[in-house]
Order: sequence, then structure tokens, then C-alpha cells
Amino acid sequence: AQSVTQPDIHITVSEGASLELRCNYSYGATPYLFWYVQSPGQGLQLLLKYFSGDTLVQGIKGFEAEFKRSQSSFNLRKPSVHWSDAAEYFCAAILSGSARQLTFGSGTQLTVLP
Amino acid sequence: GAVVSQHPSRVICKSGTSVKIECRSLDFQATTMFWYRQFPKQSLMLMATSNEGSKATYEQGVEKDKFLINHASLTLSTLTVTSAHPEDSSFYICSARDGNRGTYEQYFGPGTRLTVT
Repeated sequence: AQSVTQPDIHITVSEGASLELRCNYSYGATPYLFWYVQSPGQGLQLLLKYFSGDTLVQGIKGFEAEFKRSQSSFNLRKPSVHWSDAAEYFCAAILSGSARQLTFGSGTQLTVLP
Repeated sequence: GAVVSQHPSRVICKSGTSVKIECRSLDFQATTMFWYRQFPKQSLMLMATSNEGSKATYEQGVEKDKFLINHASLTLSTLTVTSAHPEDSSFYICSARDGNRGTYEQYFGPGTRLTVT
């Protein structure tokens, strides 16, 4: 079945440390890939997206993600985390179908320690 | 650009009443809009997809008679929760796709917190 998996439910890092959030997809072809961030009680903000081309994608707020076809992964990274980065992060993909619907991962809650 | 608004942001209603939530694309034409439901500490669950001027397509398990979706214009979609019950309490988020951009990106609204007492 086509799916998006975020293996880490909760990650805790210290402020200033590097961050990597994992995302894997299960799909026969290359999907369109997205990372969103959600603060408590808020909607989703797009951090970055990958459709094609350069596999290293730069986003807002200092985030980047790398598409690795061989690993079916699209991991999100940030070299130095700020306390304001604490939030829920969702990986999503458009896998198939004429409606081009988003399939979301289960999310990763990021806690940042002072 | 590409701003989506939702109204209201929070609503409390009594069991048995109906509630309407509006989703508007403020600076683009939304040929397709999506409605999601999110339970606490969970991911978004797609409820339905609506295209302007046509009936919404509901996901399996979503009661179309309970969650009425109308997408009457290119900038407005509404979700009406009919005869609401406490189990309908949730966070509802809409998103919209810009038909003129030719991309698959969705722009999300800020969400509506529904509490049914």
C-alpha cells in the first residue's frame, strides 16, 4: 500500500544542536514530497517541497531536506535548532490518483531543550 | 500570496445543532479544496475533496449527510457539521489548490476548533 512513514513519534534536542527528522515513503514512482510544520492549535505551514531536479531542497527557517530515491526517503534537517522550532512536523506526499491528494505521515513532535 | 482563511477559528455548540465552517482563498482561485480532520496529537485525516461547482468526493467512512460540503465559488468552500455530537469535536482544517499555478501544492487554513457540548 502507498504510504508515508515517520518513524519517530517524538524527538528531543538541545537548542543549538543539529536536527534530522526521518520520512520514508512507499510508492512505485517518485512522489511529490513536502514537509509541513504545525504549532499548537494552528494550521500547517509549508517548510519545503520536492517535485524534481536537485535532490537537496532548501526551505524556510533554515530547513533543508534531501530526497534519496534509493532509500525512498526525504529527511528534514536543520544544522542548529532554535527554541522556536518546537512544534509538530509532518511529512507528506502526493502519491497517485487524479485528485492529487496529500498523504500525511503520522507526524514527529519536536521538543527543544534550553 | 496564497493565503487561506477559515472562520470561525473556534466554535462551541450544543449537541444536535449544526455548525458551518467557512474556508476562503484570499488571493487566488481555488479550483480544488480539501477538508481534513485532526484529532489531538494525531495526523490529518482527509475527509473530502471538492471541486468548484461540483459535488464533493468523500473519503471512505466519512458520512456525507453529516458533513455537508459546498464549493459554490472559486474562493469559498463551506463545511457544515449537521446534528453535531460530542464525538464530532475536533480540529478541522481546510486547504486549497491554486488552479492557475499548475502545481499540486496545497495551501492550508489556520484551522477551526469545534467543541460540541
